Amino acid sequence: DTGVSQDPRHKITKRGQNVTFRCDPISEHNRLYWYRQTLGQGPEFLTYFQNEAQLEKSRLLSDRFSAERPKGSFSTLEIQRTEQGDSAMYLCASGGQGDTEAFFGQGTRLTVV
Amino acid sequence: GESVGLHLPTLSVQEGDNSIINCAYSNSASDYFIWYKQESGKGPQFIIDIRSNMDKRQGQRVTVLLNKTVKHLSLQIAATQPGDSAVYFCAENPRRGKLIFGQGTELSVKP
Repeated sequence: DTGVSQDPRHKITKRGQNVTFRCDPISEHNRLYWYRQTLGQGPEFLTYFQNEAQLEKSRLLSDRFSAERPKGSFSTLEIQRTEQGDSAMYLCASGGQGDTEAFFGQGTRLTVV
Repeated sequence: GESVGLHLPTLSVQEGDNSIINCAYSNSASDYFIWYKQESGKGPQFIIDIRSNMDKRQGQRVTVLLNKTVKHLSLQIAATQPGDSAVYFCAENPRRGKLIFGQGTELSVKP
């Protein structure tokens, strides 16, 4: 499969626990995005990488959220001290050079109980 | 703030009819727009894109129209099929690299 891969597909965690999600973009794509999506809403922008550089982070993102892309390939999104309001689908997307389409993975569905 | 909005949250059409899904965007600096289709439990799937130097672009059974004067985008689906049932999102790039999505329109195709 040469598409965007996300792991895990589903995660159930207790409130207060930390969780980490992984995204493997399409090979050689230099742009990588993280989005959050709740039911009935469009994907909400969280952060954006160009290669290993995190170029933008949403002001809506609390300090409990952090993302990395250490070698410009895969990326991780960590949520510390999860809250019930963090329950959502977390989507990763990647894109090639310039302003071209971004391709999405299947997402990681997080449920905080 | 930056936003992309859709006029209709739901659209129901008869199989074989044409569908039109509309989108309004607010950032006049956006120069690239994308339509995505999202089926239940899946990530958004790219349908078609258009750059701001174009008014119209056609794909297979889909056409995107861009009216920069009124900041309006539309997706036309010809001969709508049951497999077209999904939520459709438009997205814009208010600045290079960033993509902002609207709320979405749910398309329901009746057989």
